[in-house]
Amino acid sequence: RKEVEQDPGPFNVPEGATVAFNCTYSNSASQSFFWYRQDCRKEPKLLMSVYSSGNEDGRFTAQLNRASQYISLLIRDSKLSDSATYLCVVNDYKLSFGAGTTVTVRA
Amino acid sequence: DAGVTQSPTHLIKTRGQQVTLRCSPKSGHDTVSWYQQALGQGPQFIFQYYEEEERQRGNFPDRFSGHQFPNYSSELNVNALLLGDSALYLCASSAGFMRDTQYFGPGTRLTVL
Repeated sequence: RKEVEQDPGPFNVPEGATVAFNCTYSNSASQSFFWYRQDCRKEPKLLMSVYSSGNEDGRFTAQLNRASQYISLLIRDSKLSDSATYLCVVNDYKLSFGAGTTVTVRA
Repeated sequence: DAGVTQSPTHLIKTRGQQVTLRCSPKSGHDTVSWYQQALGQGPQFIFQYYEEEERQRGNFPDRFSGHQFPNYSSELNVNALLLGDSALYLCASSAGFMRDTQYFGPGTRLTVL
C-alpha cells in the first residue's frame, strides 16, 4: 500500500464552483500534514498545513480525519488561478507525497 | 531574501555517465532534502542532510549520494545513470531537522538518453 494516496482527478470545474478532494495515508502514527500546490513544470509550493481541528485559509479549507486516516481539501469560489496539481503530504520525519490531484478551473 | 536555488536548470546526460546537482538553501535554513519527481508522480524522498551528515534516506540505491557543506549548501550525485533516472530533481530546505516547513527550489530537470 502506498504511504499517501490521492484522488487522481482531473477535476474540471467552472469558475465560482466548489471543489473538494481527499487523500488517505497509511501510517496511523503520522502527526504532521500539508497541502502543497504545484503548477506545471514548477516546484511544489506550500498551500497550507493541516491541523487536527481543521483550518481555513481564505477560500481553502483543510480537514483531517485521524480515525479514517484521510485529509481533505475544499476550494470555494474557484478562480482560474486555482488550476494546478494539489499534492497531499505527510511528514513522518521525511515528506511523503501523494501523486497529486489535478484541478482545472474553466471560465 | 533569496529562496532555495538550484543549478543547473536543465541537464542532458547519456546512460552510464555521472551527474552532480547543486542546491543552496533559503537564508537561515540548515537542513536540505532531495526529492526525485518522475513525470506524473509526486516527489519521492531521496535523502536529507543536516549538520553535514545524511540523516534520513529513502528507497534509493547507493548510486545516489550526497554531500552538505559547512555553508549548508548541498550536492546530489548520481552515478551510472539509467534511463529511469530522468526526472525533475527538487531540493528543499528547512530550519531544523524535519521540524519545520520545507521550501522547494525550482528543480533541475535531468534527461538521460
